[in-house]
Amino acid sequence: GNSVTQMEGPVTLSEEAFLTINCTYTATGYPSLFWYVQYPGEGLQLLLKATKADDKGSNKGFEATYRKETTSFHLEKGSVQVSDSAVYFCATRRPGGYQKVTFGTGTKLQVIP
Amino acid sequence: NAGVTQTPKFRVLKTGQSMTLLCAQDMNHEYMYWYRQDPGMGLRLIHYSVGEGTTAKGEVPDGYNVSRLKKQNFLLGLESAAPSQTSVYFCASSPLTDHNEQFFGPGTRLTVL
Repeated sequence: GNSVTQMEGPVTLSEEAFLTINCTYTATGYPSLFWYVQYPGEGLQLLLKATKADDKGSNKGFEATYRKETTSFHLEKGSVQVSDSAVYFCATRRPGGYQKVTFGTGTKLQVIP
Repeated sequence: NAGVTQTPKFRVLKTGQSMTLLCAQDMNHEYMYWYRQDPGMGLRLIHYSVGEGTTAKGEVPDGYNVSRLKKQNFLLGLESAAPSQTSVYFCASSPLTDHNEQFFGPGTRLTVL
């Protein structure tokens, strides 16, 4: 089955710092890849996604590139804000019909002013 | 649109008690899911449904039952609660046409004493 490994947190950054959260996956075929974000006290919401190799997903200044050769989907942002403080989840889903989504364990990001 | 809503937001049970968590979505989605979120373990799928009247087991179904009598509602039942079921429970839904993205509810925090 699919699996996702993401870097453990918490990650603490100063405002305007560069962010990278690593994510690698194992899957057969060509899975879809996602980053979800969970703000304090809320459910998860989709941040960005990529559905094929070399695709770049982007949203709210975040981006991640689907790298099949390294089976990675690292999340990056050039300049973080305090409002980006949240837990970030990498996830993967096999294509075709109903397929469950496999989530990583989450990485907590804290941005300090 | 309210999106995905969950009732209740918080609940404390004693061991052996029963309860039902209600999830409702107003987006006419076919697929619905119940997850539990525990520290360091990410999200784990309990049960899911691919349509009204159908349910299926996920990764951790033991101790839980579900029903999908109406398309917009997905109920999660605990017949005899155990301390190991202390967790945060999330409901999610996704459309038939593109179930890459799951839409999550705000969660229910359950404590079993």
